[in-house]
Amino acid sequence: EAQVTQNPRYLITVTGKKLTVTCSQNMNHEYMSWYRQDPGLGLRQIYYSMNVEVTDKGDVPEGYKVSRKEKRNFPLILESPSPNQTSLYFCASRRGQVSTGELFFGEGSRLTVL
Amino acid sequence: AQSVSQHNHHVILSEAASLELGCNYSYGGTVNLFWYVQYPGQHLQLLLKYFSGDPLVKGIKGFEAEFIKSKFSFNLRKPSVQWSDTAEYFCAVNAGGSQGNLIFGKGTKLSVKP
Repeated sequence: EAQVTQNPRYLITVTGKKLTVTCSQNMNHEYMSWYRQDPGLGLRQIYYSMNVEVTDKGDVPEGYKVSRKEKRNFPLILESPSPNQTSLYFCASRRGQVSTGELFFGEGSRLTVL
Repeated sequence: AQSVSQHNHHVILSEAASLELGCNYSYGGTVNLFWYVQYPGQHLQLLLKYFSGDPLVKGIKGFEAEFIKSKFSFNLRKPSVQWSDTAEYFCAVNAGGSQGNLIFGKGTKLSVKP
């Protein structure tokens, strides 16, 4: 089954404790992206990757890092989480350079930073 | 900068009522347009998309949208809503280019009363 898998789905952590949210897709998609969803603000892009070893900032990259060492994986790293990073995070992937293609989303990871 | 505006934050309808959700974007060139739906507690799924051709596009579950270039609009419609249509709806625009990043609106929450 084609899917985007995120882990963990739920996480409560404390300020400053490094964490990683993993994202893996099994569709051989080149393009992957991370979004955060906050009430009243919709989805905002954090980082995206056009292919392996190619990453770029989205609209709200501050406080986040990503890496793309393999095509299927695109982890989101919070080196020193802060309460304003409490949010619902979605990973998404899409086939190649096709800007008309459908984005496939993961189930979401709800992060709470105390 | 590109932007997407969704006019209604929350729409409440009774079953069988007709639905129209507004979406306007700001970009003067060629655009690709999408509507995504997020059912409660779930990830985003594609409802429909427009790239070119017939400006009236049909999607899943009886939804359709009309692209009006002169108005920079891509409104979503459904003749008769059901309780199961209760969800949040996001309009998204991709103004082309190799990155193909989607810009999302802030979403419209639809509540359908049985």
